[in-house]
Amino acid sequence: DGGITQSPKYLFRKEGQNVTLSCEQNLNHDAMYWYRQDPGQGLRLIYYSQIVNDFQKGDIAEGYSVSREKKESFPLTVTSAQKNPTAFYLCASSPQGSNYGYTFGSGTRLTVV
Amino acid sequence: KQEVTQIPAALSVPEGENLVLNCSFTDSAIYNLQWFRQDPGKGLTSLLLIQSSQREQTSGRLNASLDKSSGRSTLYIAASQPGDSATYLCAVIKIKAAGNKLTFGGGTRVLVKP
Repeated sequence: DGGITQSPKYLFRKEGQNVTLSCEQNLNHDAMYWYRQDPGQGLRLIYYSQIVNDFQKGDIAEGYSVSREKKESFPLTVTSAQKNPTAFYLCASSPQGSNYGYTFGSGTRLTVV
Repeated sequence: KQEVTQIPAALSVPEGENLVLNCSFTDSAIYNLQWFRQDPGKGLTSLLLIQSSQREQTSGRLNASLDKSSGRSTLYIAASQPGDSATYLCAVIKIKAAGNKLTFGGGTRVLVKP
């Protein structure tokens, strides 16, 4: 079945540590996105990529970095510069064009310990 | 700036009652509108996608309407079941040269009581 796989499901980060969240899709979608979800704040866009080797900052990119070396993969690194990283992270993808919606992964819950 | 509002924030109904969930948006120059369901601790599951030229979409017990002129979309769930308990999110999609912009509402948390 086609879909988006996010791993791990749960992740714990120590202070000052960088961690990387994985997102893989087999839908052959061109565009991929990372969102952060906090209680009471809804979903906010961190980074997005429309094509391999290209990505753009979203609304809350500070303290995060991404890469898009392959069409199927869009990993997100939460750096030590992100002061409040505890949140639920969701990856999404969509085809290019105007007639399509978004497909989301099952999410990664990141907790600072 | 696009703002998307969902009212009410929470809703509790007895099993069998029809559900009506509202979504309003400020910028009518949207392209598509998508409804999602989210269970606690889970990702988003797409329910219905309404393209800008459409007025409604239906899937089983679900029906979603779109009125761009008034900036509203409504999700109807007929004959609700306890398994319909979840948070429902609407998102408006605007096509931009730099990449599509997806703006979410805050969601409506639904509880269907047996």
